Amino acid sequence: QKEVEQNSGPLSVPEGAIASLNCTYSDRGSQSFFWYRQYSGKSPELIMFIYSNGDKEDGRFTAQLNKASQYVSLLIRDSQPSDSATYLCAVNKFDTGFQKLVFGTGTRLLVSP
Amino acid sequence: KAGVTQTPRYLIKTRGQQVTLSCSPISGHRSVSWYQQTPGQGLQFLFEYFSETQRNKGNFPGRFSGRQFSNSRSEMNVSTLELGDSALYLCASSGLRVGVNSGANVLTFGAGSRLTVL
Repeated sequence: QKEVEQNSGPLSVPEGAIASLNCTYSDRGSQSFFWYRQYSGKSPELIMFIYSNGDKEDGRFTAQLNKASQYVSLLIRDSQPSDSATYLCAVNKFDTGFQKLVFGTGTRLLVSP
Repeated sequence: KAGVTQTPRYLIKTRGQQVTLSCSPISGHRSVSWYQQTPGQGLQFLFEYFSETQRNKGNFPGRFSGRQFSNSRSEMNVSTLELGDSALYLCASSGLRVGVNSGANVLTFGAGSRLTVL
């Protein structure tokens, strides 16, 4: 079982729709969760992080966390073609007393005009 | 505020050679992490340095090594290059931890060094 799992996609949504991206993780000890966006040929950039159960909103983005189900999601409202990118879920994992971020392989999102 | 700077951006090597990649973190950031990104495996953690000490290491062979200098700049080295080492090598610095307990590093990535091994 992978430590962080994401559907590779592509997830195709029309402009203006809500895009829902999902991520599951295996380590129950993980407590901090991150969503990064990576455009083709570019490096990942942080969208938002969450560490409490429930929802966290930032503009058009909402992160949802359910630790009991080991599930994190990212909702993008009013999707725009400029949102077309690969979205990476990252989870902190403690190893030898220090933490590291473990990334999923990403979900490719395509927003069509 | 300058971002994370990685050099070189692109390089081509042949099997058996060695390569050194450099990373200058954001000013004031003391933690530097390195990741390898390939199409099949995604982002794989290589190691993290903090105040010149390696704090954590991923599951890579000993051919992969790194170090951090007193000014927080970091280098990683790959010796005896193999075809499978072709990848985008990303450096990320962190100056902020978020979350509960000891928290987690918020990573800011550089543009990466794309290595091609022929």
